[in-house]
Amino acid sequence: NAGVTQTPKFQVLKTGQSMTLQCAQDMNHEYMSWYRQDPGMGLRLIHYSVGAGITDQGEVPNGYNVSRSTTEDFPLRLLSAAPSQTSVYFCASSLGETQYFGPGTRLLVL
Amino acid sequence: AQSVTQLDSHVSVSEGTPVLLRCNYSSSYSPSLFWYVQHPNKGLQLLLKYTSAATLVKGINGFEAEFKKSETSFHLTKPSAHMSDAAEYFCVVSGVNTGFQKLVFGTGTRLLVSP
Repeated sequence: NAGVTQTPKFQVLKTGQSMTLQCAQDMNHEYMSWYRQDPGMGLRLIHYSVGAGITDQGEVPNGYNVSRSTTEDFPLRLLSAAPSQTSVYFCASSLGETQYFGPGTRLLVL
Repeated sequence: AQSVTQLDSHVSVSEGTPVLLRCNYSSSYSPSLFWYVQHPNKGLQLLLKYTSAATLVKGINGFEAEFKKSETSFHLTKPSAHMSDAAEYFCVVSGVNTGFQKLVFGTGTRLLVSP
Protein backbone atom coordinates (compact mmCIF):
# COMPACT_ATOMS: atom_id res chain seq x y z
CA ASN A 1 0.00 0.00 0.00
CA ALA A 2 1.21 3.52 -0.82
CA GLY A 3 -0.92 4.91 1.99
CA VAL A 4 -1.80 8.60 1.58
CA THR A 5 -0.09 10.40 -1.27
CA GLN A 6 -0.06 14.12 -2.01
CA THR A 7 1.04 16.09 -5.05
CA PRO A 8 2.78 18.39 -5.60
CA LYS A 9 5.37 18.44 -2.81
CA PHE A 10 6.03 22.13 -3.29
CA GLN A 11 4.28 24.91 -5.22
CA VAL A 12 4.75 28.63 -5.71
CA LEU A 13 1.73 30.68 -6.79
CA LYS A 14 1.07 34.32 -7.49
CA THR A 15 -1.80 36.07 -5.75
CA GLY A 16 -5.04 35.39 -7.62
CA GLN A 17 -3.92 32.19 -9.28
CA SER A 18 -5.86 28.98 -8.81
CA MET A 19 -4.61 25.48 -8.22
CA THR A 20 -5.61 22.04 -6.98
CA LEU A 21 -3.75 20.07 -4.35
CA GLN A 22 -4.15 16.37 -4.98
CA CYS A 23 -4.67 13.71 -2.32
CA ALA A 24 -5.18 10.01 -2.84
CA GLN A 25 -5.34 6.97 -0.56
CA ASP A 26 -5.38 3.27 -1.36
CA MET A 27 -6.61 1.96 2.00
CA ASN A 28 -10.33 2.19 1.15
CA HIS A 29 -10.90 4.65 3.99
CA GLU A 30 -14.21 6.44 4.07
CA TYR A 31 -13.05 9.48 6.02
CA MET A 32 -10.62 11.99 4.51
CA SER A 33 -9.62 15.45 5.59
CA TRP A 34 -7.42 18.43 4.82
CA TYR A 35 -5.40 20.37 7.38
CA ARG A 36 -3.12 23.34 7.16
CA GLN A 37 -0.10 23.77 9.38
CA ASP A 38 1.19 27.21 10.30
CA PRO A 39 4.05 28.04 12.68
CA GLY A 40 2.97 28.06 16.31
CA MET A 41 -0.61 27.03 15.50
CA GLY A 42 -0.56 23.28 15.13
CA LEU A 43 -2.77 21.78 12.42
CA ARG A 44 -6.20 23.19 11.66
CA LEU A 45 -8.97 21.35 9.85
CA ILE A 46 -10.02 22.91 6.54
CA HIS A 47 -12.56 20.46 5.09
CA TYR A 48 -13.43 16.85 5.57
CA SER A 49 -15.43 14.09 3.92
CA VAL A 50 -17.14 11.08 5.48
CA GLY A 51 -17.55 9.30 2.16
CA ALA A 52 -17.89 9.77 -1.59
CA GLY A 53 -20.26 12.62 -2.37
CA ILE A 54 -20.26 14.02 1.19
CA THR A 55 -18.11 16.93 2.34
CA ASP A 56 -18.29 19.44 5.16
CA GLN A 57 -16.42 22.43 6.50
CA GLY A 58 -13.83 22.35 9.21
CA GLU A 59 -12.37 25.13 11.31
CA VAL A 60 -10.83 27.26 8.51
CA PRO A 61 -12.72 26.60 5.24
CA ASN A 62 -12.70 30.07 3.67
CA GLY A 63 -10.88 30.26 0.34
CA TYR A 64 -10.92 26.49 -0.22
CA ASN A 65 -13.23 24.12 -2.05
CA VAL A 66 -13.35 20.33 -2.00
CA SER A 67 -15.24 17.54 -3.69
CA ARG A 68 -15.25 13.77 -3.23
CA SER A 69 -16.29 11.88 -6.34
CA THR A 70 -14.47 8.65 -5.42
CA THR A 71 -13.41 6.97 -2.18
CA GLU A 72 -9.76 7.26 -3.18
CA ASP A 73 -9.39 10.95 -4.08
CA PHE A 74 -10.02 14.16 -2.17
CA PRO A 75 -8.64 17.23 -3.99
CA LEU A 76 -8.40 20.65 -2.38
CA ARG A 77 -8.95 23.67 -4.63
CA LEU A 78 -7.75 27.20 -4.13
CA LEU A 79 -9.84 29.36 -6.46
CA SER A 80 -7.94 32.63 -5.97
CA ALA A 81 -4.77 32.25 -3.94
CA ALA A 82 -3.88 34.80 -1.27
CA PRO A 83 -0.63 35.26 0.68
CA SER A 84 -2.52 34.19 3.82
CA GLN A 85 -2.81 30.73 2.28
CA THR A 86 0.95 30.23 2.40
CA SER A 87 1.20 27.12 4.53
CA VAL A 88 1.92 23.43 4.61
CA TYR A 89 -1.10 21.34 3.71
CA PHE A 90 -1.68 17.81 4.96
CA CYS A 91 -4.24 15.33 3.77
CA ALA A 92 -5.32 12.49 6.04
CA SER A 93 -7.56 9.45 5.84
CA SER A 94 -9.01 7.12 8.46
CA LEU A 95 -11.32 4.19 8.95
CA GLY A 96 -11.65 4.52 12.72
CA GLU A 97 -10.12 7.06 15.07
CA THR A 98 -6.56 6.70 13.82
CA GLN A 99 -5.76 9.10 11.02
CA TYR A 100 -2.99 8.49 8.50
CA PHE A 101 -1.30 11.57 7.12
CA GLY A 102 0.27 12.25 3.77
CA PRO A 103 3.73 13.81 3.45
CA GLY A 104 2.37 17.32 2.90
CA THR A 105 2.38 20.03 0.24
CA ARG A 106 4.31 23.21 0.91
CA LEU A 107 2.57 26.18 -0.72
CA LEU A 108 4.01 29.66 -1.09
CA VAL A 109 1.76 32.44 -2.36
CA LEU A 110 3.54 35.59 -3.46
CA ALA B 1 -15.70 22.74 22.66
CA GLN B 2 -12.67 20.57 22.93
CA SER B 3 -9.13 21.86 23.15
CA VAL B 4 -5.63 20.87 24.14
CA THR B 5 -2.85 22.96 25.62
CA GLN B 6 0.75 21.93 25.24
CA LEU B 7 2.50 23.61 28.10
CA ASP B 8 5.96 23.89 26.54
CA SER B 9 6.80 25.09 23.05
CA HIS B 10 10.35 23.72 23.34
CA VAL B 11 11.90 21.03 25.54
CA SER B 12 15.64 20.35 25.59
CA VAL B 13 17.14 17.15 26.99
CA SER B 14 20.42 15.31 26.81
CA GLU B 15 20.64 11.91 25.19
CA GLY B 16 19.92 9.18 27.72
CA THR B 17 17.87 11.40 30.07
CA PRO B 18 14.09 11.19 30.56
CA VAL B 19 11.61 13.03 28.36
CA LEU B 20 8.43 14.72 29.61
CA LEU B 21 6.13 16.55 27.21
CA ARG B 22 3.11 18.05 28.92
CA CYS B 23 -0.44 18.24 27.60
CA ASN B 24 -3.67 19.34 29.26
CA TYR B 25 -7.03 18.87 27.60
CA SER B 26 -10.51 20.29 27.85
CA SER B 27 -13.53 18.26 26.86
CA SER B 28 -17.20 18.13 27.78
CA TYR B 29 -17.34 14.43 27.05
CA SER B 30 -15.01 11.49 27.41
CA PRO B 31 -12.25 12.33 25.00
CA SER B 32 -10.00 10.30 22.79
CA LEU B 33 -6.44 11.56 23.03
CA PHE B 34 -3.47 11.08 20.77
CA TRP B 35 0.17 11.97 20.46
CA TYR B 36 1.58 12.45 16.97
CA VAL B 37 5.22 13.04 16.04
CA GLN B 38 6.50 15.02 13.08
CA HIS B 39 10.12 14.75 12.04
CA PRO B 40 11.58 17.63 10.00
CA ASN B 41 9.96 17.97 6.58
CA LYS B 42 7.94 14.82 7.14
CA GLY B 43 4.30 13.96 7.66
CA LEU B 44 2.74 13.06 11.00
CA GLN B 45 3.05 9.66 12.59
CA LEU B 46 0.85 8.31 15.37
CA LEU B 47 2.83 7.58 18.55
CA LEU B 48 -0.02 6.40 20.75
CA LYS B 49 -3.70 6.85 21.51
CA TYR B 50 -6.07 6.71 24.47
CA THR B 51 -9.65 5.67 23.81
CA SER B 52 -11.12 4.99 27.30
CA ALA B 53 -9.42 1.66 27.91
CA ALA B 54 -6.28 1.45 30.07
CA THR B 55 -5.17 4.84 31.40
CA LEU B 56 -1.48 4.09 30.83
CA VAL B 57 -0.92 3.84 27.11
CA LYS B 58 2.22 2.47 25.53
CA GLY B 59 3.25 3.61 22.09
CA ILE B 60 6.01 3.15 19.59
CA ASN B 61 9.70 3.83 20.20
CA GLY B 62 9.44 3.50 23.97
CA PHE B 63 7.01 6.37 24.51
CA GLU B 64 4.07 6.16 26.86
CA ALA B 65 1.40 8.50 28.18
CA GLU B 66 -0.94 8.43 31.17
CA PHE B 67 -4.51 9.70 31.04
CA LYS B 68 -5.36 11.49 34.30
CA LYS B 69 -8.97 12.59 34.34
CA SER B 70 -8.68 14.39 37.69
CA GLU B 71 -5.86 16.54 36.32
CA THR B 72 -7.20 16.67 32.71
CA SER B 73 -3.72 15.74 31.58
CA PHE B 74 -2.16 13.39 29.05
CA HIS B 75 1.59 13.83 29.40
CA LEU B 76 4.02 11.99 27.12
CA THR B 77 7.10 10.36 28.65
CA LYS B 78 10.09 8.30 27.66
CA PRO B 79 12.67 6.97 30.12
CA SER B 80 15.73 7.63 27.97
CA ALA B 81 15.94 10.06 25.05
CA HIS B 82 17.64 9.13 21.80
CA MET B 83 18.98 11.53 19.21
CA SER B 84 16.39 10.24 16.75
CA ASP B 85 13.61 11.48 19.06
CA ALA B 86 14.33 15.08 18.09
CA ALA B 87 11.11 16.19 16.40
CA GLU B 88 7.90 18.11 16.96
CA TYR B 89 5.21 16.44 19.02
CA PHE B 90 1.51 17.19 18.89
CA CYS B 91 -1.10 16.38 21.50
CA VAL B 92 -4.48 15.86 19.85
CA VAL B 93 -8.07 15.41 21.10
CA SER B 94 -11.22 14.15 19.48
CA GLY B 95 -14.55 13.09 20.82
CA VAL B 96 -18.15 12.15 20.31
CA ASN B 97 -19.47 15.69 20.50
CA THR B 98 -17.29 16.94 17.65
CA GLY B 99 -17.33 13.80 15.57
CA PHE B 100 -14.62 11.48 16.74
CA GLN B 101 -12.66 11.76 13.52
CA LYS B 102 -12.34 15.55 13.67
CA LEU B 103 -9.05 16.13 15.40
CA VAL B 104 -8.15 19.22 17.41
CA PHE B 105 -4.40 19.79 17.62
CA GLY B 106 -2.26 21.46 20.21
CA THR B 107 0.31 23.97 19.07
CA GLY B 108 3.16 21.48 19.32
CA THR B 109 6.29 20.93 21.42
CA ARG B 110 9.66 20.83 19.74
CA LEU B 111 11.95 18.30 21.41
CA LEU B 112 15.65 19.00 21.13
CA VAL B 113 18.10 16.23 22.07
CA SER B 114 21.75 17.04 22.65
CA PRO B 115 24.60 14.51 22.71
